[in-house]
Amino acid sequence: GAVVSQHPSWVICKSGTSVKIECRSLDFQATTMFWYRQFPKQSLMLMATSNEGSKATYEQGVEKDKFLINHASLTLSTLTVTSAHPEDSSFYICSAKAAAGDEKLFFGSGTQLSVL
Amino acid sequence: QKEVEQNSGPLSVPEGAIASLNCTYSDRGSQSFFWYRQYSGKSPELIMFIYSNGDKEDGRFTAQLNKASQYVSLLIRDSQPSDSATYLCAVTKGGKLIFGQGTELSVKP
Repeated sequence: GAVVSQHPSWVICKSGTSVKIECRSLDFQATTMFWYRQFPKQSLMLMATSNEGSKATYEQGVEKDKFLINHASLTLSTLTVTSAHPEDSSFYICSAKAAAGDEKLFFGSGTQLSVL
Repeated sequence: QKEVEQNSGPLSVPEGAIASLNCTYSDRGSQSFFWYRQYSGKSPELIMFIYSNGDKEDGRFTAQLNKASQYVSLLIRDSQPSDSATYLCAVTKGGKLIFGQGTELSVKP
């Protein structure tokens, strides 16, 4: 399957700081990437769809000014959690489709964010 | 009604048995269906996908789809302790992948 690289794997930060998470497609070009969030014992919740060269599309209830998404190239999307608070502590996972028209999603390794 | 529903479990089966995981979805327009396996603390891993009614087999895994009943299942034959994980059902809707809450499977030696 397609390889999606995500880092950092985990990050601990103080409340009020910002954290950037990177997601790269290593062996394919991804015009669209998806960012999910998962709280313990819960399912993956789609946060936003990241489109190369254009603005991200956010799901209802997700603050676009808090979760900044940049998809500047066909292989890189970044999620920045701005002014993080303890309630933002979660497992953040990026994903991408290997090819246009292919519905299969391949996931990065995820980032465990802990905000103190 | 949730868009994708699964029994949260845990489902416990003895080693060597068949594990049966079920999933229902609400959108009749959904065309693509996926099963992901997620180990604790790790990201999901795609194990099966199915697009047409009927059965699809891959090794010890069989996915079954019934669009009329809006039902998709995953069978794991000869279950192994290493199969112990959470299994996530996912369904496409409007170009996005919507996940169920997952079923926790425990395979006892």
